[in-house]
Amino acid sequence: GENVEQHPSTLSVQEGDSAVIKCTYSDSASNYFPWYKQELGKGPQLIIDIRSNVGEKKDQRIAVTLNKTAKHFSLHITETQPEDSAVYFCAASPDYKLSFGAGTTVTVRA
Amino acid sequence: DTAVSQTPKYLVTQMGNDKSIKCEQNLGHDTMYWYKQDSKKFLKIMFSYNNKELIINETVPNRFSPKSPDKAHLNLHINSLELGDSAVYFCASTHTTSGANVLTFGAGSRLTVL
Repeated sequence: GENVEQHPSTLSVQEGDSAVIKCTYSDSASNYFPWYKQELGKGPQLIIDIRSNVGEKKDQRIAVTLNKTAKHFSLHITETQPEDSAVYFCAASPDYKLSFGAGTTVTVRA
Repeated sequence: DTAVSQTPKYLVTQMGNDKSIKCEQNLGHDTMYWYKQDSKKFLKIMFSYNNKELIINETVPNRFSPKSPDKAHLNLHINSLELGDSAVYFCASTHTTSGANVLTFGAGSRLTVL
């Protein structure tokens, strides 16, 4: 099955700085790579996703890059704000089954 | 207008008891999931149903039994609860299309076994 590794496990950034989270996956058949944000006491919510036929995707302050050859993908958050503080999960899927990374707790310091 | 709703939100019970968590989605999705999130925040898939049929059944103790009366509902029944069952259980749903699944999660049900 798919195995997704995510780093770092915790990330503290100054407000206004950028945050980068990296993930690797094992199954070369995976073709869908979403990122979820989980705020305290809530369920994970999709913030951005990328498919295997695209190398990069951007949505306002967040962007995701995918390197299929190296089997890794990354989430970039620019101009971080206090409301970006949350747990972020990457995931990979070759079909209808999503495998999640272990999560990154992001803290944005004011 | 909650898209994926779970009940109860909190559940505190004694070891050995039997309990159920219910999930309903009003998104018209055809696939529903149960995920378990442990104290380290790791999200692990447990079960998935597509149009009331079980399609994913991970290595989960058979004390856990999912039931899908229709494609909008997926319930989780747990027998003989153990301390290690304490976790947050998330229901999720999606409309299965070729190559991608955008999951919509519920708010979670926090189970504490004493």
